[in-house]
Formats: sequence, structure tokens, C-alpha cells
Amino acid sequence: DAKTTQPTSMDCAEGRAANLPCNHSTISGNEYVYWYRQIHSQGPQYIIHGLKNNETNEMASLIITEDRKSSTLILPHATLRDTAVYYCIVRVRAAGNKLTFGGGTRVLVKP
Amino acid sequence: GAVVSQHPSRVICKSGTSVKIECRSLDFQATTMFWYRQFPKQSLMLMATSNEGSKATYEQGVEKDKFLINHASLTLSTLTVTSAHPEDSSFYICSALGPEHYEQYFGPGTRLTVT
Repeated sequence: DAKTTQPTSMDCAEGRAANLPCNHSTISGNEYVYWYRQIHSQGPQYIIHGLKNNETNEMASLIITEDRKSSTLILPHATLRDTAVYYCIVRVRAAGNKLTFGGGTRVLVKP
Repeated sequence: GAVVSQHPSRVICKSGTSVKIECRSLDFQATTMFWYRQFPKQSLMLMATSNEGSKATYEQGVEKDKFLINHASLTLSTLTVTSAHPEDSSFYICSALGPEHYEQYFGPGTRLTVT
């Protein structure tokens, strides 16, 4: 699976949009971009995934650049409950394929 | 849907004893489950892949005789930490492959403290 690079940490203001970047310059054509988050002392929670088109669900939006070498997770209106470590993972969406977690971005939402 | 539970949520055991952690898929059948370990301030590290009815596949550096994995049914995988030592104290998290076999759904984790 391709390696990803994320900022170690970032702060954002409650009620504002949080934009979390991820670089994956060595991504292969069949690898998807996945985002998970982990709130303190809990298991990871799936947020969203995409291949090349932008995706949106009830939690977030995923913007993938045209060359697919980077992406941005957008939390449209951050709340205090969004404070967590956010992991960007690229992987082939094959049956049983493993997830490899990097360091993630520690996001602190401040009042 | 796709809920995964773990039991216990936290456990304290004495050095030298064994402790079993259960991972259950509550509303779907999971032929494949994964076990991760997470030390404080660190990321999740995959320990092993558990397949129903067959032996688990361990990641490099993980002792299979120390971390016994049993996946005897389509909804239950267990991890037994044998002869636990203080350095085994960690947050253990399982995940299960969802009904379409592409996505992983994670349990809430088990905090193990070995005294």
C-alpha cells in the first residue's frame, strides 16, 4: 500500500470547516483513499473513502486532486466531538486487504 | 449495521497469567477479523489476521505462541495473551471485514494492564 504523509497536528475552531490534508504521491491507479478517525481510547471509526471523484457523506467531504497525489478531508462544521486522530490510508479495495495505519493528524477542535 | 463488540473493555491481570479478549460481529458474519495493538501516543499496529476455521496469519515480529488467536465461528474471534508481562500492557483493538468483504469495522478496544 502507498505511504501517506499527514501533518502531525492541527487546531481548528468550533463551527468552522476543518480541512485535513494528506499526501499520497505514490498512489497506484487501483488504490483508494480512506479516512478513519480515532477518538481517544476508542476504536477507529470509518469516515469516507474515494478513488478519484470527490465524495460526500453525512460526516465529511473528500476532495481528491486530479493527479490523485493528494487529498483533503473536510469536516464542514467542526464540533468539539470531532477532536480525534484522523488517519488517511491508501489501499487496494480488495477482499480481505489489510489496513496500514500511519501517524495520522491529531485534530483539536477549540471552542 | 456492521457493529463489532469487544469484551472486556478493560482488564487488569497479574504478570504470568493469561487473559482472553473476545471480538464479536453483532449483526453480520465475518469470515475475517483483524487484531491490532496500540501503545500510548502511537498508531495502530496490525498483529494478525484471523480467518474463520483456519490458522491466523501473524505479522512479522508477533509471537504466535504468545498471542493465541482462535476464530471458531463466523461471529467470534478471541485473542489470548499468554504469560502476560507488563510490556504487554496496551490497547488491543479488533476489526471485522464487513458483509461485502471490503471494509473493516472496528471494535471499541480492550485496555489491558499487566501488573
